[in-house]
Amino acid sequence: QVQLVESGGGVVQPGTSLRLSCAASGLKFRRYGIHWVRQAPGKGLEWVAMITSDGNDQYYADSLRGRLTVSRDNSKYMVYLQLNSLRREDTAVYYCVTDKDWGILNSWGPGTLVTVSS
Amino acid sequence: EIVMTQSPATLSVSPGERVTLSCRASQSIRTKLAWLQQKPGQAPRLLIYDVSTRATGIPARFSGSGSGTEFTLTISSLQSEDFAVYYCQQYNDWPPVTFGQGTKLEIK
Repeated sequence: QVQLVESGGGVVQPGTSLRLSCAASGLKFRRYGIHWVRQAPGKGLEWVAMITSDGNDQYYADSLRGRLTVSRDNSKYMVYLQLNSLRREDTAVYYCVTDKDWGILNSWGPGTLVTVSS
Repeated sequence: EIVMTQSPATLSVSPGERVTLSCRASQSIRTKLAWLQQKPGQAPRLLIYDVSTRATGIPARFSGSGSGTEFTLTISSLQSEDFAVYYCQQYNDWPPVTFGQGTKLEIK
């Protein structure tokens, strides 16, 4: 069965950077685009970024563009989200999610919590 | 950006009841709408996509309808495990994918 596991979260200071990882298993990884979605404590869902199955195209939320880079290594079944110049409002659980069919968010990982605090 | 609006924000219902949740898009999204369920402390789960297609393993008591800008999710007979937050999500025109603010189903 499909499994996604995020890692790399933690408590970081404002202005610093963090790289989140998403490890996938149980699927033909090269066939799937991967999204990142975040959820601030007690709030709703916010789409962050997406990378296509071949890694050639990346899409970002306008509010975060310039501070994010999404990448993947298909040989390792891994996706990465680099977050730069972190702000307190970036505090959230970050989920990686498979793309079933151009925007359908299918399988979700359990998430990793990023807390931006001094 | 397409804005998704859900109503009501909270719904108090009793087990066994039939419940309908609403979702409205700020412009037509054709049938590119999904519903997700999120229980406390868990990741969201895909329930329905393309307005009315149930995801793998989703019980038949969940059904969706609508097109254009108005959509509904119906749960025919609420079970205890259905008390959760439900989000609608559009994927007709993205990026960005956008979500409604959620409807919380709570036990009456």
